[in-house]
Amino acid sequence: KAGVTQTPRYLIKTRGQQVTLSCSPISGHRSVSWYQQTPGQGLQFLFEYFSETQRNKGNFPGRFSGRQFSNSRSEMNVSTLELGDSALYLCASSGGSDNEQFFGPGTRLTVL
Amino acid sequence: DQQVKQNSPSLSVQEGRISILNCDYTNSMFDYFLWYKKYPAEGPTFLISISSIKDKNEDGRFTVFLNKSAKHLSLHIVPSQPGDSAVYFCAASAIIGNQFYFGTGTSLTVIP
Repeated sequence: KAGVTQTPRYLIKTRGQQVTLSCSPISGHRSVSWYQQTPGQGLQFLFEYFSETQRNKGNFPGRFSGRQFSNSRSEMNVSTLELGDSALYLCASSGGSDNEQFFGPGTRLTVL
Repeated sequence: DQQVKQNSPSLSVQEGRISILNCDYTNSMFDYFLWYKKYPAEGPTFLISISSIKDKNEDGRFTVFLNKSAKHLSLHIVPSQPGDSAVYFCAASAIIGNQFYFGTGTSLTVIP
C-alpha cells in the first residue's frame, strides 16, 4: 500500500498571502488529521476530517481551515499568513480499529 | 495548555545502554497512549502503544510503562543502538473522538 503523501513538500510565502496544502491518505483510510509542528510547541492538533466532515478541531484561529473530498483526500488552507505560521505541517491518516495514525512526510512552510 | 509533556528536550546515551524517555499527562480521560519516532525530513512513525487497561507493553527492544495514578508513561529502549537516534514523541487520546495530544518531543542521541 502506498503511504500518506503530502504536496508540496516545501513552500515559501510572504506575510498576508494564503496557502493550500494537500494530503492523500492511505487507500481505504477515511480519517485525516492535520498537525502543526514547531520546535517549541511540538505537534499541535489542527483538525480531523472523517467522511468529508470535520470531526474534531484544535485551538487554532479561523485562518486555518480544511476540507475533505469524497476520495478522502484532504486540503488545509491558511489565509493571511503570519510569520509564526512557519512550521512543518503534517497530516496523518487512520482507518483501522487500533487508532494508529500514519503520518505523511510533511510540508515545510516558510513565511517571510 | 500542554496536556502531554515531555520535560526532557534531549537525551544522550551510550550504545548498548538503556534509554528511558519520559512523558507526563494531565487529562485523566486519556486512555490510549502511543510513542512515535521521527527522523529529520520525515513524518513521525508509530513505535509502540499502550491502553490504560495495561501497565506494560513490550515489543522487542522497546517497552512502554504506564503509571495511571501518576499520569506518567515511559519508553525504555534496551539495548540502545545508534539507529535509535531520533526525536521521540509521546501522544495520548481519550475514548471519544480521534484527537491526539502530543508532547513536545525528546531528541535521543545514541553514542557509538
